[in-house]
Amino acid sequence: EAGVAQSPRYKIIEKRQSVAFWCNPISGHATLYWYQQILGQGPKLLIQFQNNGVVDDSQLPKDRFSAERLKGVDSTLKIQPAKLEDSAVYLCASSSRRGVNEQFFGPGTRLTVL
Amino acid sequence: AQTVTQSQPEMSVQEAETVTLSCTYDTSESDYYLFWYKQPPSRQMILVIRQEAYKQQNATENRFSVNFQKAAKSFSLKISDSQLGDAAMYFCACPYSGGGADGLTFGKGTHLIIQP
Repeated sequence: EAGVAQSPRYKIIEKRQSVAFWCNPISGHATLYWYQQILGQGPKLLIQFQNNGVVDDSQLPKDRFSAERLKGVDSTLKIQPAKLEDSAVYLCASSSRRGVNEQFFGPGTRLTVL
Repeated sequence: AQTVTQSQPEMSVQEAETVTLSCTYDTSESDYYLFWYKQPPSRQMILVIRQEAYKQQNATENRFSVNFQKAAKSFSLKISDSQLGDAAMYFCACPYSGGGADGLTFGKGTHLIIQP
């Protein structure tokens, strides 16, 4: 079974530029999560999708971050414009059933904003 | 708000010895799961062990076991017979309680060093 795929693995941009991250969850997993992991901290939940609908995005900085999962499979997280404090690893995770099952994490995208 | 506290930023243990990583949490959920995740230097998070809060029996997975004290909201991880491959960041996680989401709230992690 293929795991959660993310791309790119690394991205370096200048502040005020835009960037997008892509995630392909494990086949059949209806629930998809995006987390932000700043260096030295644990991951922080940004947004959760159930199929193509948003369950919660209360921790997503909506003035600059957006995310979509149009067909209920792949997801894209975008930052526009980026700030220095957005430098972090962005992790995507998926789960086959809400709540009780473990979340499977992708390798993450390391973003550096200069 | 839900919080997870891991009071040990770093722990060091000799290979083959036993080490315990501590975690306390706070959640408003009445029925929930708790998790320990491992993050090796390659940065892919891997589930180590899961505990169902309504079960009194502590979870065990091979060399990994937990000491779950629900009243104290404590959830420590014990690693027996430590191996070099156990070296990693370990994160404790409890349910994220917000807006109907069931993601996780993570602690800041404990860096585990295995001395050969």
